[in-house]
Amino acid sequence: DAKTTQPPSMDCAEGRAANLPCNHSTISGNEYVYWYRQIHSQGPQYIIHGLKNNETNEMASLIITEDRKSSTLILPHATLRDTAVYYCIVRSMTETSGSRLTFGEGTQLTVNP
Amino acid sequence: DTGVSQNPRHKITKRGQNVTFRCDPISEHNRLYWYRQTLGQGPEFLTYFQNEAQLEKSRLLSDRFSAERPKGSFSTLEIQRTEQGDSAMYLCASSLDAATNEKLFFGSGTQLSVL
Repeated sequence: DAKTTQPPSMDCAEGRAANLPCNHSTISGNEYVYWYRQIHSQGPQYIIHGLKNNETNEMASLIITEDRKSSTLILPHATLRDTAVYYCIVRSMTETSGSRLTFGEGTQLTVNP
Repeated sequence: DTGVSQNPRHKITKRGQNVTFRCDPISEHNRLYWYRQTLGQGPEFLTYFQNEAQLEKSRLLSDRFSAERPKGSFSTLEIQRTEQGDSAMYLCASSLDAATNEKLFFGSGTQLSVL
């Protein structure tokens, strides 16, 4: 699976949009971009994933660049409860590939009042 | 609560003792994963099961570690002759075998402290 690079930490004001970047310049054609987050003392939580097109769900939006070498997770109106470590993961999804998620160190997002 | 359940939440043991953790996945999920997480690091993959079959094991899973999933339901992770380096959070996750849309649901983990 391709390696990802994320900033170690970011701050955001409550009510504002949080934009979390991720670089995955070695991504290959069959690899999806996944985002999980981990709130302190809890297990990781799935947020969103995509292949090429931008995706949106009730939690967030995922913007993937046209060349697929980077992506941005957007939390449109961050709340204090969004303070967490956010992991960007690139994962192959072929039938013969392993099913593991390879977590990096993620981005610690702190939402300030 | 129909999420992934892990027991115990905390375990303190002395070096050299054996410990066993249990994971109850979401009932219809056929895949089950074990991860380990140390402070300040992301979770590291240990092993995964599809139904009762253990399909992949990480090099991190030394011969002191064994995982089982009898009948494809709950799973246990046993660590024999614990060492201080085994101190970590042990996370379990489950998912449906949904190929391109697979989403893992994690439990809250078992925090192991080896004294």
